[in-house]
Amino acid sequence: SQQGEEDPQALSIQEGENATMNCSYKTSINNLQWYRQNSGRGLVHLILIRSNEREKHSGRLRVTLDTSKKSSSLLITASRAADTASYFCATKETSGSRLTFGEGTQLTVNP
Amino acid sequence: EAGVVQSPRYKIIEKKQPVAFWCNPISGHNTLYWYRQNLGQGPELLIRYENEEAVDDSQLPKDRFSAERLKGVDSTLKIQPAELGDSAVYLCASSFGQAREELFFGEGSRLTVL
Repeated sequence: SQQGEEDPQALSIQEGENATMNCSYKTSINNLQWYRQNSGRGLVHLILIRSNEREKHSGRLRVTLDTSKKSSSLLITASRAADTASYFCATKETSGSRLTFGEGTQLTVNP
Repeated sequence: EAGVVQSPRYKIIEKKQPVAFWCNPISGHNTLYWYRQNLGQGPELLIRYENEEAVDDSQLPKDRFSAERLKGVDSTLKIQPAELGDSAVYLCASSFGQAREELFFGEGSRLTVL
């Protein structure tokens, strides 16, 4: 079963623009993680934000977490063609140790 | 440092045949995961190991799927017999566990059942 739901399902932008992806979830969480998956490859961990954090940065990535709304967003600034990939949020529930992934957002950055 | 290694990368079989996937996690990672990813969807957990012990296998279809992790290192996931609906990518991941919570994934094994 999927806990997280990403929005939008697909996003197409021009190089240099910012890309924002959203994730909503249903239960209380310990942390939320974002992963990237290039076509035909495995997932790569991008960033982890804990339930007591509201914002986190890593290079061109900015993640926010709103536990009252049970939602998170991933912002990629100054996008590059190499950022083209699927992006997944994953939540670790407070009730257990399972990491549950959402359906993903397919990002296409056009050169 | 070597990453998570999976084999085979691709496997095509006919329905009712058996198939097995192998995973070698990152050295020192005591937690190992098997996920299944259908086309256009996110990964779904099949089983999680802490060392040799399967601590979360509630989503593993036990009538046809089995897994083992001998000596708490390598792991094998088996399907017998395979069904058409088993066509998917089977992803193995590992982590340090509670100390470091990010997962490291292998490239996956793509299964096609004809």
